[in-house]
Amino acid sequence: QLQESGPGLVKTSETLSLTCNVSGGSIGSYYWTWTRQPPGKGLEYIGYIYKTGSTNFNPSLKSRVSMSIDTSNNQVSLKLTSVTTADTAVYHCARGLGLYNWFDTWGQGMLVTVSS
Amino acid sequence: QSVLTQPPSVSGAPGQRVIISCTGTNSNIGAGSDVHWYQHLPFTAPKLLIYAHTNRPAGVPERFSASTSGTSASLVITGLQSDDETDYYCQSYDTRLSGFVFGTGTRVTVL
Repeated sequence: QLQESGPGLVKTSETLSLTCNVSGGSIGSYYWTWTRQPPGKGLEYIGYIYKTGSTNFNPSLKSRVSMSIDTSNNQVSLKLTSVTTADTAVYHCARGLGLYNWFDTWGQGMLVTVSS
Repeated sequence: QSVLTQPPSVSGAPGQRVIISCTGTNSNIGAGSDVHWYQHLPFTAPKLLIYAHTNRPAGVPERFSASTSGTSASLVITGLQSDDETDYYCQSYDTRLSGFVFGTGTRVTVL
C-alpha cells in the first residue's frame, strides 16, 4: 500500500516536498514513480527512482526535480523547486515492476495547491 | 508532457462497444515496449486494466481487451456499462527518453 503525505499548500517560488510511505512490503527492486494530474488535465509522468539511486525525470521538469529513497523507513521522496501555480496538481506515487512493465500499486494521490 | 496520443473522448450507449486508440512512436510502442492500460477516476488511485498489451489482472472483466500493432495500441470495451464512465490512460516505456510515458487520456461517456 502506498500513501502520499506532505503539505497541501505551497507558496509560489518555494519547494514542494512529498513523501510516499510504502507499507506491506519493502522498497525492493521496483521503480518508484511519481506522476501528477493538474486540474482538468491528464496524468503527467514526473520521474522515477530505483533502489540504487538511479533516476529518470520528465525533460520538462528535470531542472527542478529530485527524488530520494529511504530504505530503512520504506519511504520515497519527491522535491520540486521553484514552484508556480502550474504545479498545482494531484500527485501520485506508484510502484513500477520494471522499465518495460506496469505499475501494480498506486497511492490515492494528494492534492497540492501552489498559491502566493 | 505526454508522448502517447489518445482521443480526448469517446462515447457509446449502454451495451455498445467503444475503442480507445493510443498512438506512439518508434521510440516507445514501435520499439517493442509493452503497452499497459489504466482506468482512473480523478482523486483515486489509477487501476490497472491491461498489462503487457493484452493481459487482464485478476478481477478485470473480460469486457476489457486490448491489442497492439506497429506504433499504436487499442483498448476495447464491449458491453458498455455506466460504471465504465471515467478516464482511461495507456502507458509504455520510451527508449529515447529512457523513462515511462503516458497517454493523453480518454474520457469515456456512457450515453
